[in-house]
Amino acid sequence: DTGVSQDPRHKITKRGQNVTFRCDPISEHNRLYWYRQTLGQGPEFLTYFQNEAQLEKSRLLSDRFSAERPKGSFSTLEIQRTEQGDSAMYLCASSPSGRAVETQYFGPGTRLLVL
Amino acid sequence: SQQGEEDPQALSIQEGENATMNCSYKTSINNLQWYRQNSGRGLVHLILIRSNEREKHSGRLRVTLDTSKKSSSLLITASRAADTASYFCATAPRTGTASKLTFGTGTRLQVTL
Repeated sequence: DTGVSQDPRHKITKRGQNVTFRCDPISEHNRLYWYRQTLGQGPEFLTYFQNEAQLEKSRLLSDRFSAERPKGSFSTLEIQRTEQGDSAMYLCASSPSGRAVETQYFGPGTRLLVL
Repeated sequence: SQQGEEDPQALSIQEGENATMNCSYKTSINNLQWYRQNSGRGLVHLILIRSNEREKHSGRLRVTLDTSKKSSSLLITASRAADTASYFCATAPRTGTASKLTFGTGTRLQVTL
């Protein structure tokens, strides 16, 4: 399977705990994106990498959130001191480089539930 | 924040009928894309239309774009039960960094036998 993969698919945690999600993009894609989707809403942009450089972060990405893409391949998204409001689906997407934003290829998502 | 609204929020039709969904957006765009999401899953890209295009077809899908009204429509012809899903429009900005897509709120389509 050469699509975008995410791990874990589901995560249940208690408030105050830290969680980390992983995304493996399509291998030849330089761009990697993280989105958050709450129930009944469309995905909202969190952050974007071009290779290993984090080029844009949304205001939604509070200081409890950190994302990395150390070697320009897989990426991790960490949430520290989780809150119940962090419960959502976290989606990763990748795309090849280009002048404009073209098709993004999404992974299956990680569903987080904070109790 | 969401770029715009989709209309209707929910749509229920019978198999074989056509389904039309509308999307409105707020800012200048480079392109507009439609994605499908089955319940609890990731998004699947359906079709992309550029700002200088007015209509595009792909199989049973027909997309129109009116940049003067900042709106788009997605038509699914001869619907099937397998088309049951949520459909989202997403816009790519004309200016600024070539980064994020901004999604609408989605239309939930139910196709019954």
